[in-house]
Amino acid sequence: SAVISQKPSRDICQRGTSLTIQCQVDSQVTMMFWYRQQPGQSLTLIATANQGSEATYESGFVIDKFPISRPNLTFSTLTVSNMSPEDSSIYLCSVERSWPYSTDTQYFGPGTRLTVL
Amino acid sequence: LAKTTQPISMDSYEGQEVNITCSHNNIATNDYITWYQQFPSQGPRFIIQGYKTKVTNEVASLFIPADRKSSTLSLPRVSLSDTAVYYCLVGELNSGAGSYQLTFGKGTKLSVIP
Repeated sequence: SAVISQKPSRDICQRGTSLTIQCQVDSQVTMMFWYRQQPGQSLTLIATANQGSEATYESGFVIDKFPISRPNLTFSTLTVSNMSPEDSSIYLCSVERSWPYSTDTQYFGPGTRLTVL
Repeated sequence: LAKTTQPISMDSYEGQEVNITCSHNNIATNDYITWYQQFPSQGPRFIIQGYKTKVTNEVASLFIPADRKSSTLSLPRVSLSDTAVYYCLVGELNSGAGSYQLTFGKGTKLSVIP
């Protein structure tokens, strides 16, 4: 498995501001992922971040709204820009790790709970 | 993308065995089946993964029939702390990103009753 930490764990922000969420992994990983989980809902993939290249965004998510950085193999940030109340969600990062006897799978961080007023 | 279908919710008494079945009719040859557990306000926790037949670890067992169109997660002797949402996912290679992409369905909310 992998030890993944996120900062902040939670925040309350004003409309129109931006928040940067950090994700730190205890070992080097190639692929990192960012998800959003709206209240009472399942997880939705925002983007895939591969070190050394631009993030790949899923349909409905754009770089201007959710810029991502991946400066090295253990760290990534997701910024939620120009926030509105609809951005209130839990944001989770995950990493891909090879698992013995099977294919790669993903391990998740604890999440960042964002509330936008 | 292979989609999964699982019951929205299940109730069980403490000490019982719980079986959660997931349907994935369009599973591809190279896909693996992965189950996650999520407690409120926490990230999903990997439980078990398999390709065919039966896989067992210290937490659960996963049964996959020969046609692989479904799978069953078995939790032995559940306790109150097993109350959580359980997600069944089929892992697929995302050719655009060059990695495996997991698509989360709605999951099964398991409530364990004393």
